[in-house]
Amino acid sequence: QLQLQESGPGLVRPSETLSLTCSVSGDSISRSSFYWGWIRQSPGKGLEWIASIFYSGSTFYNPSLKSRVTISVDTSKNQFSLQLNSVTAADTAVYYCARDILVSGYLVAGYWGQGIVVTVSS
Amino acid sequence: DIVVTQSPDSLAVSLGERATISCKSSQNLLYSSNNKNYLGWYQQKPGQPPKLLIYWASTRHSGVPDRFSGSGSGTDFTLTISSLQAEDVAVYYCHQYYDNPSTFGQGTKLEIK
Repeated sequence: QLQLQESGPGLVRPSETLSLTCSVSGDSISRSSFYWGWIRQSPGKGLEWIASIFYSGSTFYNPSLKSRVTISVDTSKNQFSLQLNSVTAADTAVYYCARDILVSGYLVAGYWGQGIVVTVSS
Repeated sequence: DIVVTQSPDSLAVSLGERATISCKSSQNLLYSSNNKNYLGWYQQKPGQPPKLLIYWASTRHSGVPDRFSGSGSGTDFTLTISSLQAEDVAVYYCHQYYDNPSTFGQGTKLEIK
């Protein structure tokens, strides 16, 4: 049974870097035919797709965030990660990691983690 | 960016009755080369992540009850719950994955009348 679990700090200071990791069990990222990615949800902006990655390193980024975002994969740990630089209060959200079901870089998310609440505040 | 707009914002339906949610896209979501509409639907209950219900506008994801159905093509789409159950109370989102960035509707809150 596929499970995804987000981890990382719940509080990040403005202008710093938000770093999150998604640990995957029940499937191997390196043998998977699907994209893995991040989606966030905030009261102000609703659901927002951030980025997706294939085990080979192929990536898709939301253009509005691309200059601040890096998504990466560590197949040895069966994890993938998100880094978001220069955060502001507008980046406060619940961050979800997810797996695609259609080999879509835009993440048709059939499997989700439970989400992690990240607050940007000094 | 493609804008997907849902209506209504909230909806109250009696148990056993039909619920219908609309999603309109600012651009065509039908890809002519494969005749597929790049539109999905999610259900989100409080404190939970969204759950995929429908993709390709009308294909139910595994395990989704057949009272949920999706229809439409091009720019106009509908999610229908044929006979509302108490466990269907949730917020529903449409999602276009035709173009970068993929975008979500604002959500429709479904309640019991």
